[in-house]
Amino acid sequence: QKEVEQNSGPLSVPEGAIASLNCTYSDRGSQSFFWYRQYSGKSPELIMSIYSNGDKEDGRFTAQLNKASQYVSLLIRDSQPSDSATYLCAVNKEDDYKLSFGAGTTVTVRA
Amino acid sequence: DVKVTQSSRYLVKRTGEKVFLECVQDMDHENMFWYRQDPGLGLRLIYFSYDVKMKEKGDIPEGYSVSREKKERFSLILESASTNQTSMYLCASSPTGVTEAFFGQGTRLTVV
Repeated sequence: QKEVEQNSGPLSVPEGAIASLNCTYSDRGSQSFFWYRQYSGKSPELIMSIYSNGDKEDGRFTAQLNKASQYVSLLIRDSQPSDSATYLCAVNKEDDYKLSFGAGTTVTVRA
Repeated sequence: DVKVTQSSRYLVKRTGEKVFLECVQDMDHENMFWYRQDPGLGLRLIYFSYDVKMKEKGDIPEGYSVSREKKERFSLILESASTNQTSMYLCASSPTGVTEAFFGQGTRLTVV
């Protein structure tokens, strides 16, 4: 079993819709959870971090964490063409310097 | 802003060459990482370092070595480049503690 798994894309959504991205992780000791956005040919950039159960909102982005279910998600509201990118879920354990990444979900927002 | 700079954006090397990829960060971060990214496989950790002269193997260290002589610089070395090492290489850094990593712009290496 992979440490971090994401729903396989690609995900195509119309402009203005909600894009929903899912991520599960295998290690119950995981403490920190991140979503990175990566445009084609560019390096990943951090867009959200979440550390405790529940929702965290930042502009049009909402991260949701459920440690009991070992599940973290990212919602993109009012999707824009500029949101078209690959989204990477990353997880690390307490006192572990390493991040484990999922394979990524590619999102395409149709104008 | 955190700045992580990789020495080259694109590199083409021949099979058997010794290849050096350099990474410098300007935020006094303790932790530095080298990943490679391949289509369908995501980011895989090659090596990481949590202090000067300290290094630990990641998930795919074979064929690679690293050097960290100064806190701000972390070098990845391909001892004898092979075509299966053609990939995007990403350097990242993070401060001590459980926190996010910041990435450099990446080096696309082609081994011919």
